[in-house]
Amino acid sequence: SAVISQKPSRDICQRGTSLTIQCQVDSQVTMMFWYRQQPGQSLTLIATANQGSEATYESGFVIDKFPISRPNLTFSTLTVSNMSPEDSSIYLCSVMAGVSSTGELFFGEGSRLTVL
Amino acid sequence: RKEVEQDPGPFNVPEGATVAFNCTYSNSASQSFFWYRQDCRKEPKLLMSVYSSGNEDGRFTAQLNRASQYISLLIRDSKLSDSATYLCVVNPTGGFKTIFGAGTRLFVKA
Repeated sequence: SAVISQKPSRDICQRGTSLTIQCQVDSQVTMMFWYRQQPGQSLTLIATANQGSEATYESGFVIDKFPISRPNLTFSTLTVSNMSPEDSSIYLCSVMAGVSSTGELFFGEGSRLTVL
Repeated sequence: RKEVEQDPGPFNVPEGATVAFNCTYSNSASQSFFWYRQDCRKEPKLLMSVYSSGNEDGRFTAQLNRASQYISLLIRDSKLSDSATYLCVVNPTGGFKTIFGAGTRLFVKA
């Protein structure tokens, strides 16, 4: 299993500002995943973060809006840049157990962002 | 068509009832299938993987029908604590990207 700590757990931000979310894992993992869950919706993958290389972004998400850092095998950050009310969402960090792609996904508790 | 589709519910059932959820997926080459549970204001957690032969874990039974491209989750003898959103999750390519369904909400009432 993996224990994932995310912070902040929630924040209220002004339009046009940026917020960085931190994700700390209690073990070394190759890949970390960032998801967004908008109100009443399911999870959408934003990007996959590998240590030592640029993150891989899914369709509809770009690096300028959601820059990601992955400085080591236990830590990652996601920044939500130039925020608008449409960015109000829960952002979740996730890792996959084991080395197989069929492994269980473990999630942090999420960061609930409200943009005014 | 969405890659993974679920009936959003909500399903309102009394304690002790049996309830079944279905989920359809569009990619016939999908490799792995899961059911996750998400409690209100909490993160998703794995409930069970879904194997080709079907699998059971206590009151929960998961089935996979590859020909019709759907998976199901059956909950027997529902408990109040089963109230949650159940997410159907599919790994379509065998890689590390997983697709989440929108979830089915279940309310179990006394």
